[in-house]
Amino acid sequence: GAGVSQSPSNKVTEKGKDVELRCDPISGHTALYWYRQSLGQGLEFLIYFQGNSAPDKSGLPSDRFSAERTGGSVSTLTIQRTQQEDSAVYLCASSLQGALYGYTFGSGTRLTVV
Amino acid sequence: ELKVEQNPLFLSMQEGKNYTIYCNYSTTSDRLYWYRQDPGKSLESLFVLLSNGAVKQEGRLMASLDTKARLSTLHITAAVHDLSATYFCAVDVNSGNTPLVFGKGTRLSVIA
Repeated sequence: GAGVSQSPSNKVTEKGKDVELRCDPISGHTALYWYRQSLGQGLEFLIYFQGNSAPDKSGLPSDRFSAERTGGSVSTLTIQRTQQEDSAVYLCASSLQGALYGYTFGSGTRLTVV
Repeated sequence: ELKVEQNPLFLSMQEGKNYTIYCNYSTTSDRLYWYRQDPGKSLESLFVLLSNGAVKQEGRLMASLDTKARLSTLHITAAVHDLSATYFCAVDVNSGNTPLVFGKGTRLSVIA
């Protein structure tokens, strides 16, 4: 597509429920990144996919968080048993291999856990 | 562990004034990126700096990179209200093989 697409744009969920966030990267971009931005904070790296390599999961905050990328394209970030501290904006970005010119970000999913 | 520090974190400036935002980082890198984020919006790429001494300009914004000092600056000239936003720098230390590390952002407010 023309840009990085994320859905849903907003999600309100009850504490303890599972949520899935979706990211559709720019066609041809081999790298895909998930970041989290809490209110008034910077960007916290979560997970990174590059081509067919094993993902870099070093930023995932707990084992309640997981992500997959199917067919080298669409990615889903899953948060199980959501907690209030999971409330944040989840940003997805994609890039060409090597990311020489940086990333293109999606518009994010605002997650609110009540 | 790479640390990226921006200062100031908050900046309120009058229209027409000049100011500089600083981005320091703790390890060797020759790739640095500046992004802009408007409230409730995503990040938009502003500048890509890929070598020591690189300087890029767009309108009232100019970014530079000093890799020896591990410092990038974002200079604002004759600020206007439309520049009000949060500005992030991000550093690449592994030629695109590891994720960018972002600073906490500088929230700029330009007032009349």
